[in-house]
Amino acid sequence: DVKVTQSSRYLVKRTGEKVFLECVQDMDHENMFWYRQDPGLGLRLIYFSYDVKMKEKGDIPEGYSVSREKKERFSLILESASTNQTSMYLCATSRRYEQYFGPGTRLTVT
Amino acid sequence: AQSVTQLDSHVSVSEGTPVLLRCNYSSSYSPSLFWYVQHPNKGLQLLLKYTSAATLVKGINGFEAEFKKSETSFHLTKPSAHMSDAAEYFCVVVWMDSSYKLIFGSGTRLLVRP
Repeated sequence: DVKVTQSSRYLVKRTGEKVFLECVQDMDHENMFWYRQDPGLGLRLIYFSYDVKMKEKGDIPEGYSVSREKKERFSLILESASTNQTSMYLCATSRRYEQYFGPGTRLTVT
Repeated sequence: AQSVTQLDSHVSVSEGTPVLLRCNYSSSYSPSLFWYVQHPNKGLQLLLKYTSAATLVKGINGFEAEFKKSETSFHLTKPSAHMSDAAEYFCVVVWMDSSYKLIFGSGTRLLVRP
């Protein structure tokens, strides 16, 4: 079974803090994705990576950056957290089209 | 461009009655389509997928979906709802380039009444 883990289930941060969300997968998948999920909006793609040190912007990259130094690990970085970044963040991995999701991190920025 | 529309934000059924969750897609290509389910406080789980083989696709937990090209639809059905089916369901179309991106519908929350 594919296992995708995220560093925290719940996180509370203050406005202006730098926030790191980590995702680790154990299936040697090339592709990794970060989404945010908000009620009524479904999932929106923030960034994705199809190889180590490679990254591409998704639909809503503003205010976020990513890092992929190792194949199994993909980090999402909020350089200066803002209240409108309060959301559920989901990581996913894939070899081709079928994506496998982590449990999510619910981030609250106060 | 590809897009997907879930026609109902909420669906409520009684336990033991049929479930129908509606999804329409728009695609310039012959699409690949998925349904994912998300139970409360959990990540998303693949329910079933259509990749241009049989038009009637069977998934886990008794769900199935039928691809209808003439109607550009991929509705999800189950003959008899169970309380454990209460969750949010997402219809997804694959972005047909080399990036393997997915485009998600806005979701349908299924409520099952006892």
